[in-house]
Amino acid sequence: GNSVTQMEGPVTLSEEAFLTINCTYTATGYPSLFWYVQYPGEGLQLLLKATKADDKGSNKGFEATYRKETTSFHLEKGSVQVSDSAVYFCALSGRGNTPLVFGKGTRLSVIA
Amino acid sequence: GAVVSQHPSRVICKSGTSVKIECRSLDFQATTMFWYRQFPKQSLMLMATSNEGSKATYEQGVEKDKFLINHASLTLSTLTVTSAHPEDSSFYICGGRVRTGTEAFFGQGTRLTVV
Repeated sequence: GNSVTQMEGPVTLSEEAFLTINCTYTATGYPSLFWYVQYPGEGLQLLLKATKADDKGSNKGFEATYRKETTSFHLEKGSVQVSDSAVYFCALSGRGNTPLVFGKGTRLSVIA
Repeated sequence: GAVVSQHPSRVICKSGTSVKIECRSLDFQATTMFWYRQFPKQSLMLMATSNEGSKATYEQGVEKDKFLINHASLTLSTLTVTSAHPEDSSFYICGGRVRTGTEAFFGQGTRLTVV
């Protein structure tokens, strides 16, 4: 079945540091890939997505590239801020009734 | 756009009572709704998938008679936890998807505490 593996956290970074959160997937067919962010006590917000190989999703300074050859979708940001502290989930999905499959989440803490 | 409103955000109920959680898509038609439960170590467990007008499909191990899911319209899905017990205390999140989409848009979540 489909699955997502992302790096274990927590990750603690100083403000303005470079961020990478690794995500790899196993799937049949050609899934869409996503990064969601969850702030404390809140639901999930879609951060970015990519629907086919070599697509780059980007939003709010975050970006991730759909790499089919390495089955990866690593999240990156060049300079993190304290406000980026949250839990980040990598996910994949097909269409229709296919539910999203989530990784276990990576907690990011950014300190000033 | 793509806003999902989930209500209530927090609820405390007594053991043995039932509680209903509503999930509304405010600006799109959610042909498919997903209900997840989030555990303390942050992992998300899919409980069920529902399509508008159809019975929900429950994941293995999820009691369908305990967690009643209704998706009566393209903008509303409800989860009713019946005869709640303390072990049902958790964070519940709903998400909606349009017919042609792959992403889901999620509500703010509901923190359920059963005392």
